[in-house]
Amino acid sequence: AQKITQTQPGMFVQEKEAVTLDCTYDTSDQSYGLFWYKQPSSGEMIFLIYQGSYDEQNATEGRYSLNFQKARKSANLVISASQLGDSAMYFCAMSFPSGSARQLTFGSGTQLTVLP
Amino acid sequence: NAGVMQNPRHLVRRRGQEARLRCSPMKGHSHVYWYRQLPEEGLKFMVYLQKENIIDESGMPKERFSAEFPKEGPSILRIQQVVRGDSAAYFCASSPLRGHYGYTFGSGTRLTVV
Repeated sequence: AQKITQTQPGMFVQEKEAVTLDCTYDTSDQSYGLFWYKQPSSGEMIFLIYQGSYDEQNATEGRYSLNFQKARKSANLVISASQLGDSAMYFCAMSFPSGSARQLTFGSGTQLTVLP
Repeated sequence: NAGVMQNPRHLVRRRGQEARLRCSPMKGHSHVYWYRQLPEEGLKFMVYLQKENIIDESGMPKERFSAEFPKEGPSILRIQQVVRGDSAAYFCASSPLRGHYGYTFGSGTRLTVV
């Protein structure tokens, strides 16, 4: 069975600084996908970034990058140059096999607050 | 280019009533997924449907919950005889292909049972 662990219930970061949100996962599958979603206070789920288990390079999307360490089973999200609008709940999720969005397993989330 | 449309955004039901949640996938998407988010928790998978077929309902409660995705019209998540514990946000997502990387979520329906 797949399991996602986000150990930081809440994080604070100063505006314009970088922040890392932790995510570790547990799976016996070799092929899987890792996702990060943002959920602002308005409630919608916004896709941020995807990393496949066979991708050799870390995924990047604008100010978001995914620090993928396969041996440690971690997929941390790095947000550079934080903005006030980044304040939200962030969820890490996993799907299997890689590329199949059939079912996502989500972590419990990290509430990020960006301070002015 | 409308996204995944869910309605209503908010739904209040008394205990014992039925709740119907609707989801219209993105244009061209034939795969629909329903998730539930209890307060202070992450999303939990409920069911995966294609047109007229339930592919995976391993996350659906055994009783009172059902889902459909007819040939025409939106996907419906139906909860019969609602109880307080059904209060949650219900999210629908869609994707164009079974093997697509990730999918697009709707804005969710917040169900409150009073």
